Amino acid sequence: GDSVTQMEGPVTLSEEAFLTINCTYTATGYPSLFWYVQYPGEGLQLLLKATKADDKGSNKGFEATYRKETTSFHLEKGSVQVSDSAVYFCAPTNYGQNFVFGPGTRLSVLP
Amino acid sequence: EAQVTQNPRYLITVTGKKLTVTCSQNMNHEYMSWYRQDPGLGLRQIYYSMNVEVTDKGDVPEGYKVSRKEKRNFPLILESPSPNQTSLYFCASSQAGVLNQPQHFGDGTRLSIL
Repeated sequence: GDSVTQMEGPVTLSEEAFLTINCTYTATGYPSLFWYVQYPGEGLQLLLKATKADDKGSNKGFEATYRKETTSFHLEKGSVQVSDSAVYFCAPTNYGQNFVFGPGTRLSVLP
Repeated sequence: EAQVTQNPRYLITVTGKKLTVTCSQNMNHEYMSWYRQDPGLGLRQIYYSMNVEVTDKGDVPEGYKVSRKEKRNFPLILESPSPNQTSLYFCASSQAGVLNQPQHFGDGTRLSIL
């Protein structure tokens, strides 16, 4: 079945540091790729998505590029803020019914 | 406002006492799902439903029941809760059969079974 490998962390960075969270996946067919973010005490919410090869999803300064040849969807941000402290989940999906989530990466950003 | 609403948000109860966690969405989504989130294990799917009266097991269905009598509601039932069901539970919904649509999540229900 489909699966996701994601660095689990925790990742601790200083404010304004560069962030990379790696995500690789195995999936049948041609999935859409999502990153979700979970802030403390809340449910998951969509951060960004990409639906075909070489697409770049972006939101709130975060970016990720759909790399079909390496089955990867790494999340990056050039300058993190304290407010980015959260848990980040990588999730490939096929046709909206087979959602698979990575284990989540906890990010802590220190002032 | 588009949302998924879960109730209760917190519950402490005892082994064997039946409980129901309600989930309702106002986006007319066909697909609804329940997950549990445990430290080190990420999100694991319990049950999902593609539409009214259609439900299927996810990865960890043992000890849980669901029903989908109406499109907007998808309650999670623990007939005889046990301590290993202590967890953080999330309900989610999305459009079915559309490849690039994300899930919308509720804020979670934290269950403690003593």
